[in-house]
Amino acid sequence: DTAVSQTPKYLVTQMGNDKSIKCEQNLGHDTMYWYKQDSKKFLKIMFSYNNKELIINETVPNRFSPKSPDKAHLNLHINSLELGDSAVYFCASSHRTYGNTIYFGEGSWLTVV
Amino acid sequence: DAKTTQPTSMDCAEGRAANLPCNHSTISGNEYVYWYRQIHSQGPQYIIHGLKNNETNEMASLIITEDRKSSTLILPHATLRDTAVYYCIVRFQGAQKLVFGQGTRLTINP
Repeated sequence: DTAVSQTPKYLVTQMGNDKSIKCEQNLGHDTMYWYKQDSKKFLKIMFSYNNKELIINETVPNRFSPKSPDKAHLNLHINSLELGDSAVYFCASSHRTYGNTIYFGEGSWLTVV
Repeated sequence: DAKTTQPTSMDCAEGRAANLPCNHSTISGNEYVYWYRQIHSQGPQYIIHGLKNNETNEMASLIITEDRKSSTLILPHATLRDTAVYYCIVRFQGAQKLVFGQGTRLTINP
């Protein structure tokens, strides 16, 4: 059973398009995250949601809009894609009070052409 | 969160113990030391964490110095599948994020 799952795993799209990446966790966690890993391999947090409430927004352009329909899901919608958005996007989750160890998904490879 | 310093890269022979150092001289009393690794093309994988005492689990051991200013992650019998980038992260347990540095690229050689 995959604990944190993301879809799609690979996505190639043209500049200007709008795309979404979905994330689901079956760990019973109450906090979910989106991280971005760029071509230089730096991993940086983008957003964090706790119980569907946004708690971290790390100066991400407003073209990126996370949506959390429930505690188990955190989707990332990106409008007007740019070349610089090409990266690997990792979803993650944790339980805010029980240990708070963060577990990551396998990543979604986004290529904007 | 306190910053950490790790060597950029290390090599280890298969079957030997891999010892990965991490300096965190500005760590505060409530900050934990976490270790994650990222195998090529995969998501970061949690390995172990600790506060003061040494910790061991099925993957690794974590040795934290008495002054807590440094730690060592030990993979007791490294295999080729342990080749990865290893991240040492210092974090309050209730903190809402992990701040990743550059990590150590560990290569296990046959």
